Amino acid sequence: NAGVTQTPKFRVLKTGQSMTLLCAQDMNHEYMYWYRQDPGMGLRLIHYSVGEGTTAKGEVPDGYNVSRLKKQNFLLGLESAAPSQTSVYFCASRLAGAYEQYFGPGTRLTVT
Amino acid sequence: GDSVTQMEGPVTLSEEAFLTINCTYTATGYPSLFWYVQYPGEGLQLLLKATKADDKGSNKGFEATYRKETTSFHLEKGSVQVSDSAVYFCALSEDGATNKLIFGTGTLLAVQP
Repeated sequence: NAGVTQTPKFRVLKTGQSMTLLCAQDMNHEYMYWYRQDPGMGLRLIHYSVGEGTTAKGEVPDGYNVSRLKKQNFLLGLESAAPSQTSVYFCASRLAGAYEQYFGPGTRLTVT
Repeated sequence: GDSVTQMEGPVTLSEEAFLTINCTYTATGYPSLFWYVQYPGEGLQLLLKATKADDKGSNKGFEATYRKETTSFHLEKGSVQVSDSAVYFCALSEDGATNKLIFGTGTLLAVQP
């Protein structure tokens, strides 16, 4: 039981490049979330999903897109990376009816 | 909108000292309250939770009481260890099905031997 895994762990992009971050969970959780963590700002919600095939915007969605084609996977895309998207990205999942969110180990992204 | 305010760090303590990390919240509904911990290089882990007023959450010697009258959820531990060194996040979950978490800015705790 791997829990929540994220790929890749580190990435450096140039401004304007695109990439996709993959989150996978093997706990059969309905809910999945993408957060970004910046110094002095805690974690902020980017997008979330309440089930396969559904997505919704969080607090800071601009510049990101997401997809949830399979229940176990939640993808975060950056179409045209900007230096302001330099951050640590965390994925989390939650079982419907439960309170606890389970977090992945994070992806550190640097945009130059 | 809903928000969480927690004390700024870093907090530096000697081993076996008493720990308090203050957390207050603003919410329109009846949120659930959480403390998450992030050890170096890792993701966040749930430390404890409280889902209604006057509930006390506890785990690994840490505890926090949901105080509706003061809108607070302060984290305490009677005797800290070096292994408790981490960043601690206070968070609330909005009332509703999605249970989105709203986090405070985090407090770095450094415990010295």
